[in-house]
Amino acid sequence: DIQMTQSPSTLSASVGDRVTITCRASHSISWWLAWYQHKPGKAPTLLIYKASTLESGVPSRFSGSGSGTEFTLTISSLQPDDFATYYCLQYTSYSQYTFGQGTKVQIK
Amino acid sequence: QVQLVQSGAEVKRPGASVKVSCEASGYTFANYAIHWMRQAPGQRPEWMGWINAGDGNVKHSLNFQGRLALTRDTSASTAYMELSRLMSEDTAVYYCARSTLSTLTYWHLDLWGRGTLVTVSS
Repeated sequence: DIQMTQSPSTLSASVGDRVTITCRASHSISWWLAWYQHKPGKAPTLLIYKASTLESGVPSRFSGSGSGTEFTLTISSLQPDDFATYYCLQYTSYSQYTFGQGTKVQIK
Repeated sequence: QVQLVQSGAEVKRPGASVKVSCEASGYTFANYAIHWMRQAPGQRPEWMGWINAGDGNVKHSLNFQGRLALTRDTSASTAYMELSRLMSEDTAVYYCARSTLSTLTYWHLDLWGRGTLVTVSS
């Protein structure tokens, strides 16, 4: 099974900051990685898929990069609406999906 | 409005079964798969399986073999997840999510429900 290690687990930042979250895979997953934003009580929302493709309607301050085993989600200028928990998801087959442990972005 | 609406919270005794529904609207239900995940308190989300909403074909995570039943009712645009022989460790928020059925790519999850809290307690 492919394991996903996400870091940091918690991140304190201010509005306007550049924020970077990392996910590492235990084996190469090519570019089959997605990023999600989740707020309490709400449905998770897709930000990025295929490592770097921005989902329609997602603000351009979100970007994804990486391939193989190391991936990053970057928020170029943190906005008040961005305080949430972020998860990565690897989807390298039709029967194996693994999430990272999550990164909570909180107000500094 | 494209959305997935899940059924309400459940409280169950150990050994019982729970059935959670996920009603789709705003898109053609049969053209997509519905996946199920769960997230126990303080844990990362865990993928459970998917159902092809068109032909009913299913794929389960090995972690749930024998306890998990995924079904759908195309006339109601609704998918169902039934988990049997519940244990306290099954206490979690259960989510449904949609993916494409394309054979040209692997399937990310592009639309999620808000989740259904299932509490297993004696």
